[in-house]
Amino acid sequence: QSALTQPRSVSGSPGQSVTISCTGTSSDVGGYNYVSWYQQHPGKAPKLMIYGVNRRPSGVPDRFSGSKSGNTASLTISGLQAEDDGDYYCCSYAGTYTYWVFGGGTKLTVL
Amino acid sequence: EVQLVESGGGLIQPGGCLRLSCAASGFTFNNYVMTWVRQAPGKGLEWVSTITGSGDASYADSVKGRFTFSRDNSKSTLYLQMNSLRAEDTAIYYCVREGSYNFDSWGQGTLLTVSS
Repeated sequence: QSALTQPRSVSGSPGQSVTISCTGTSSDVGGYNYVSWYQQHPGKAPKLMIYGVNRRPSGVPDRFSGSKSGNTASLTISGLQAEDDGDYYCCSYAGTYTYWVFGGGTKLTVL
Repeated sequence: EVQLVESGGGLIQPGGCLRLSCAASGFTFNNYVMTWVRQAPGKGLEWVSTITGSGDASYADSVKGRFTFSRDNSKSTLYLQMNSLRAEDTAIYYCVREGSYNFDSWGQGTLLTVSS
């Protein structure tokens, strides 16, 4: 069982919006503003999409946005496109002993 | 351009040992904290170990006492020495550069299979 809880799957049609949740505890998600999100396509390495809860690296479309409330972080993808299909993982800093915890991953299907 | 190239994976018997390497280029290597993240077949991501620029390493409980993470800043290379390997260590091992509390660059990964 992963430290952070994500839905196993979500889906949406092109142009729609989807939100993926990531629930942790006050020791990780709720305790630090260091939540990041990663996109992974089959056979490829993960790619950073959101960091610091709601910051986008250069080159990531502004269709991707992040937020956090209490112990739950969320990734919202608006204006879904076919290339958004893939697996998404959340990650949170969890202090100087545990360091990093990941979610179990969510498979996004663009219908 | 940041490049991270892992090598050293393969098939090893339970109880065996192996060393993974990661060659880094395209950035000032010694300025960065580096991390290994692994992914078992069909499973999610798992933090394995992190090392500071000066060589202080931290480990996940699942590998503590069996894995040793080191770096050679003169060669811009990381090493993960893995001993007493178990079937559950089977995974793709990714070498990752840490940005500001995030993992901003990933290698392509190297597959370790622990099986008799």
